Amino acid sequence: DSGVTQTPKHLITATGQRVTLRCSPRSGDLSVYWYQQSLDQGLQFLIQYYNGEERAKGNILERFSAQQFPDLHSELNLSSLELGDSALYFCASSTRPWNTEAFFGQGTRLTVV
Amino acid sequence: GDSVTQMEGPVTLSEEAFLTINCTYTATGYPSLFWYVQYPGEGLQLLLKATKADDKGSNKGFEATYRKETTSFHLEKGSVQVSDSAVYFCALSASAGGTSYGKLTFGQGTILTVHP
Repeated sequence: DSGVTQTPKHLITATGQRVTLRCSPRSGDLSVYWYQQSLDQGLQFLIQYYNGEERAKGNILERFSAQQFPDLHSELNLSSLELGDSALYFCASSTRPWNTEAFFGQGTRLTVV
Repeated sequence: GDSVTQMEGPVTLSEEAFLTINCTYTATGYPSLFWYVQYPGEGLQLLLKATKADDKGSNKGFEATYRKETTSFHLEKGSVQVSDSAVYFCALSASAGGTSYGKLTFGQGTILTVHP
């Protein structure tokens, strides 16, 4: 158990809908990262937050947004969903804003039908 | 930009065989290098890491040495077990203070299957 909790584990939704994925980092970790894992793109970095502030942005679509709350949990919002958004979404956390060691959650598998 | 290239898979070995999974990288500065492992149905787990040139990371019988001259971080294990069957990812993180610090850039992953 990495200590990073993601909910829900599985999500099935229709095209055009909006979903929210939730991540609770390890106790004491201030930095949260979101990654997307798909068969064609592999593991792609989406976005990073550190202590409530956006720290770095990767290949995140404009239809996607994230935030980190004062209690340090994070949410990834995906809207106007398309079939191609079907993927495994991972959250990771680390103590420092740079990645000397990141701990990953078990992921949320999103299926868009 | 930063990139990581892993050897093509899948890799199939018999138990107690020697394992090598090649990994090379392209990055500016002095990145930290990692190997992560993903067991079926689970998230990624850090297997080992190295933060500077010539460092050797090791864990659970796996080893990898940070070779700056060849920009490589090959994963090795002397005797694999059935329980090592998983997907292995090589990754890098830009050095602290770099504009892209904080994110991990992953290779495409190598599927390892070990038969009894």
